Amino acid sequence: DSGVTQTPKHLITATGQRVTLRCSPRSGDLSVYWYQQSLDQGLQFLIQYYNGEERAKGNILERFSAQQFPDLHSELNLSSLELGDSALYFCASSEDTLLWTDTQYFGPGTRLTVL
Amino acid sequence: AQTVTQSQPEMSVQEAETVTLSCTYDTSENNYYLFWYKQPPSRQMILVIRQEAYKQQNATENRFSVNFQKAAKSFSLKISDSQLGDTAMYFCALRYTGANSKLTFGKGITLSVRP
Repeated sequence: DSGVTQTPKHLITATGQRVTLRCSPRSGDLSVYWYQQSLDQGLQFLIQYYNGEERAKGNILERFSAQQFPDLHSELNLSSLELGDSALYFCASSEDTLLWTDTQYFGPGTRLTVL
Repeated sequence: AQTVTQSQPEMSVQEAETVTLSCTYDTSENNYYLFWYKQPPSRQMILVIRQEAYKQQNATENRFSVNFQKAAKSFSLKISDSQLGDTAMYFCALRYTGANSKLTFGKGITLSVRP
């Protein structure tokens, strides 16, 4: 158990809908990262938040957005869902001291299926 | 931009034997970290081992060790005394030490340990 929790474990929805994925980082970790794992794209970085602020953006679609709350949990919002958004979405967290040397620990993932 | 290449899609090894998984990467940076993550059928991403690029000594964690060749940009994982529980997908990943600390993953290799 990495200490990172994600809910829900599975999500099945229809095209055009909007969903919210939730992540709670390990105790003490300030950074949260979101990754998408799909068969055709592999594991891709979406976005990073550090202590409530967006720090880095990857290949995140405009239909997707995220935020990190004062209690450090994070939510990834996916809207106008398409079939191609079906994937495993991981959240990872790290302590991210000023040295930025910390390892990222992954949650169990949320499996999103868009029908 | 950094890239990580895992050219072997699948490997198989007999239980108790040794196997080496290959990974090459490309980066223009001098300071970075390399990781091997394991993804068993449960889909959880589990950190196996980590190597700091500034360290010449190869990292080891019990039965897992790496062969880090910085000049050749090669980072292979050796698993000794393979166990059935090592059956999983293995991902090589690279991360810079700066503010943009996202992980860049290879496509992964599926390792099967035969009884």
